[in-house]
Amino acid sequence: GEDVEQSLFLSVREGDSSVINCTYTDSSSTYLYWYKQEPGAGLQLLTYIFSNMDMKQDQRLTVLLNKKDKHLSLRIADTQTGDSAIYFCAESPLGNTPLVFGKGTRLSVIA
Amino acid sequence: GAVVSQHPSRVICKSGTSVKIECRSLDFQATTMFWYRQFPKQSLMLMATSNEGSKATYEQGVEKDKFLINHASLTLSTLTVASAHPEDSSFYICSARTAEIGNTIYFGEGSWLTVV
Repeated sequence: GEDVEQSLFLSVREGDSSVINCTYTDSSSTYLYWYKQEPGAGLQLLTYIFSNMDMKQDQRLTVLLNKKDKHLSLRIADTQTGDSAIYFCAESPLGNTPLVFGKGTRLSVIA
Repeated sequence: GAVVSQHPSRVICKSGTSVKIECRSLDFQATTMFWYRQFPKQSLMLMATSNEGSKATYEQGVEKDKFLINHASLTLSTLTVASAHPEDSSFYICSARTAEIGNTIYFGEGSWLTVV
């Protein structure tokens, strides 16, 4: 079955880089997503990567995809206190099926 | 980016009453909408998938008579919590998939429901 795994917590100092890792099981996933959830708010789409790509960069965000190992990572450069949130990794299996989410990684940024 | 709007963002209702939550895609047509429930400090739990003009597909364990979903148009889906009870208090989030933007899924801001 489909499963997405993430570590639950990450703590970094302001200005450092954060790397949030995710593994998934469905090799047929076409898109892989990163969402950010701030306290009491909905999910904000940060970025997504198509399965035939290895890397995608968008300003401070870098997504790396290792399709062989089914490993996805999100790197946030120059992490700021405003980046403190829960980050969800999600995969989109083939067809019009819903996303499969990880449990989320809570990122704490220490000033 | 694409915008999905949920309304109301917060609602308090009395036990036994029904509550309707709306989910609208503001600048795109949503081929499919999904409804999630999120308990505190937990991930999202998929409740149902709805396609415009057809009946929603509910996940196992979700009562279709209690959580009524109507996907009336390509831009609007509603979730009605019928005869709400305190245990229905939760954060409900909708999302919409669009084929127009690479099949990407966008989320609403969520709706806090408190049943007293």
